[in-house]
Amino acid sequence: RKEVEQDPGPFNVPEGATVAFNCTYSNSASQSFFWYRQDCRKEPKLLMSVYSSGNEDGRFTAQLNRASQYISLLIRDSKLSDSATYLCVVNGPNNAGNMLTFGGGTRLMVKP
Amino acid sequence: GAVVSQHPSWVICKSGTSVKIECRSLDFQATTMFWYRQFPKQSLMLMATSNEGSKATYEQGVEKDKFLINHASLTLSTLTVTSAHPEDSSFYICSAKQGASNQPQHFGDGTRLSIL
Repeated sequence: RKEVEQDPGPFNVPEGATVAFNCTYSNSASQSFFWYRQDCRKEPKLLMSVYSSGNEDGRFTAQLNRASQYISLLIRDSKLSDSATYLCVVNGPNNAGNMLTFGGGTRLMVKP
Repeated sequence: GAVVSQHPSWVICKSGTSVKIECRSLDFQATTMFWYRQFPKQSLMLMATSNEGSKATYEQGVEKDKFLINHASLTLSTLTVTSAHPEDSSFYICSAKQGASNQPQHFGDGTRLSIL
């Protein structure tokens, strides 16, 4: 089983749609969670950290369910510029605070 | 804030050449930097953790004599791919973290290495 699992997609949605991505992680001792976005042939850029209480940043909402070891990202009112690969990232696998484990990414394509 | 610069962004060279990649944290001090490699359509894979003033910690399967890491200051880490071969062609990305262990990592622009 992979440490961090994501549906690779692609998710093809029209502009203005709401889309949700899910991610599961295997290490129950993981402490920190993030969503990054990566554009084609570019480096990952931090989208948002994910907090236990859930958090929102504009059109983006992240949720964490520690009991189910599940993280989600919701994007409302999708824009063409949201097209990218979204990486679910967890610290671990050995709970080393410095080390990140990346999911395989979920590809989103927003169409006009 | 939290800007990480990586240089060069693109390298094309002959097989057998050694290539040095620099990673700098521009506006913060990073005691720890990380080096990743990403092959097309695959996820980032951690190669090594670079600690300022000490030896790097390599992930299983990564040859330390092949990928030399030096972290001489709190703002600079270098990765040297020695005697590079075509199979070393990849996207190499560094990252650095500012502050506590629960803080996110910030990535450099990446270096696309092509070995002919």
